[in-house]
Amino acid sequence: KQEVTQIPAALSVPEGENLVLNCSFTDSAIYNLQWFRQDPGKGLTSLLLIQSSQREQTSGRLNASLDKSSGRSTLYIAASQPGDSATYLCAAERQTGANNLFFGTGTRLTVIP
Amino acid sequence: GAVVSQHPSWVICKSGTSVKIECRSLDFQATTMFWYRQFPKQSLMLMATSNEGSKATYEQGVEKDKFLINHASLTLSTLTVTSAHPEDSSFYICSAILQGTAFFGQGTRLTVV
Repeated sequence: KQEVTQIPAALSVPEGENLVLNCSFTDSAIYNLQWFRQDPGKGLTSLLLIQSSQREQTSGRLNASLDKSSGRSTLYIAASQPGDSATYLCAAERQTGANNLFFGTGTRLTVIP
Repeated sequence: GAVVSQHPSWVICKSGTSVKIECRSLDFQATTMFWYRQFPKQSLMLMATSNEGSKATYEQGVEKDKFLINHASLTLSTLTVTSAHPEDSSFYICSAILQGTAFFGQGTRLTVV
């Protein structure tokens, strides 16, 4: 069974700092790895999707990497802003006919102005 | 981007009653939708895969007679929690896949008293 772990559980940084969120998964037979953002009271927003054949994806200040062999993914946020404060979740999609995701518990990020 | 709407956002019900949660894909058709449940401080866990026009596929440990899923159209899936108990109190969220990207509803916070 796929297990997805995220560390740290919570992170506080001053505005402008670069930061890295970590995600590890136990089963490397994944279809893709996604990073989501969850704001309080709102649904999840998909940030980046990395296909199993890819090493990284970039969107604006966000860069996500994927190393299937070591079962790790990182989300790099450059020049953090208070608006980045949210819970960040990674999810591994399993490599079967059904599309479904195994989520980590998330990292709660607080960017201090 | 694609929108998935979930209703209600929160509900409080008495123990022993049934609660229906709706999940709609507003601007795309989804032959498959997914229902997740998240207990406090735990990751989102897949409950079942909802297939339009056929029976849902339940994950191990999820009681299909308790969590009734109906996917009667390409844009609507419903989850009914029957004979709800306090231990069913949780955050329920649905998702649908569009071109490989998962889109989520805003979630439903169920509290059974």
